[in-house]
Amino acid sequence: QKEVEQNSGPLSVPEGAIASLNCTYSDRGSQSFFWYRQYSGKSPELIMSIYSNGDKEDGRFTAQLNKASQYVSLLIRDSQPSDSATYLCAVKGGTSYGKLTFGQGTILTVHP
Amino acid sequence: DVKVTQSSRYLVKRTGEKVFLECVQDMDHENMFWYRQDPGLGLRLIYFSYDVKMKEKGDIPEGYSVSREKKERFSLILESASTNQTSMYLCASSGEETQYFGPGTRLLVL
Repeated sequence: QKEVEQNSGPLSVPEGAIASLNCTYSDRGSQSFFWYRQYSGKSPELIMSIYSNGDKEDGRFTAQLNKASQYVSLLIRDSQPSDSATYLCAVKGGTSYGKLTFGQGTILTVHP
Repeated sequence: DVKVTQSSRYLVKRTGEKVFLECVQDMDHENMFWYRQDPGLGLRLIYFSYDVKMKEKGDIPEGYSVSREKKERFSLILESASTNQTSMYLCASSGEETQYFGPGTRLLVL
């Protein structure tokens, strides 16, 4: 079983719709959770971090965390073509040094 | 503003060459990381460092070594480049939490 799994893509949504990206993790001791966006040919950039159960909103993005279910998700409201990218879920376990475990990524395409 | 820089965006080397990839961060971060990213395989950790002169192997260290003589600089070394090391190489740095990535180096080994 992979340590961090993301819903298989690619995911295609129409412009203006809600895109839902999901991620599960296996380490119950995980403390911190991150969503990165990666455009083709570019490096990952952080878009959201979440540390406690519940929802965290930042503009059109909402991260949701449920530690009991070992589940973290990212919702993108009013999706735009510029949101088309690969989204990486990353999880930080109980160890230090800032080491993250990344999922394989979900490719999102927002079509006009 | 957070800044991680990498010495080259694109690099072409010959099989057997010794290759140095440099990464510099200006955030006074203790932790630095080297990944490679290949289609279908995701991000794979090669090495990381949690302090000057300290290093730990990641998931795929074979064929690579690292050097961290100063806090801000973390170098990845390919001792004898091979064609299967053709990849995108990404450097990142962090404090206790968030990792920030450099722009990446696309390496082609012929």
